[in-house]
Amino acid sequence: DAGVTQSPTHLIKTRGQQVTLRCSPISGHKSVSWYQQVLGQGPQFIFQYYEKEERGRGNFPDRFSARQFPNYSSELNVNALLLGDSALYLCASSLGSGAFFGQGTRLTVV
Amino acid sequence: GQSLEQPSEVTAVEGAIVQINCTYQTSGFYGLSWYQQHDGGAPTFLSYNALDGLEETGRFSSFLSRSDSYGYLLLQELQMKDSASYFCAVRNQNFVFGPGTRLSVLP
Repeated sequence: DAGVTQSPTHLIKTRGQQVTLRCSPISGHKSVSWYQQVLGQGPQFIFQYYEKEERGRGNFPDRFSARQFPNYSSELNVNALLLGDSALYLCASSLGSGAFFGQGTRLTVV
Repeated sequence: GQSLEQPSEVTAVEGAIVQINCTYQTSGFYGLSWYQQHDGGAPTFLSYNALDGLEETGRFSSFLSRSDSYGYLLLQELQMKDSASYFCAVRNQNFVFGPGTRLSVLP
């Protein structure tokens, strides 16, 4: 069985641009969460979606948005990119007890 | 607010036993999970405790005391490949991660 898959793996954008990151959860998992991880810190929660509805939102500005599709895949959008948005963006799917992460998208904003 | 505390670094030698502690203050608590992350990689799920006590999975064990808001990850028979960062995470409506503990295993 495939694990959580994310695309792209690496991305370089300039300040002010917009980016869309994609995630496919483990088959059968209906919950998808997005996290931002900067070097040397733990993952910070951005969004959780369950059955296409937003179930939680972390302390991130409105430039960050997400959605979940009928097949439970998800997209994270970030508008008006800032240098500080450079990070590893992780998607995780869960059945409840543990979170299973994809390999992440490393976003660099220059 | 929500906060988790872990030691920032731990060093041990091959074959030894190491314990990584985690204390937490969160609004809502369903369980405590542990993750391993190698440099350049993504976190991988190690264990989950919903109830007090010890859970054992091979060389790794995890303990939870809900009354003390405390848990730990115990790694036995350390190997060089165990050198990584380890995160505890509280599960409430989502997962709240600690700052991570960097484990260095020396030969």
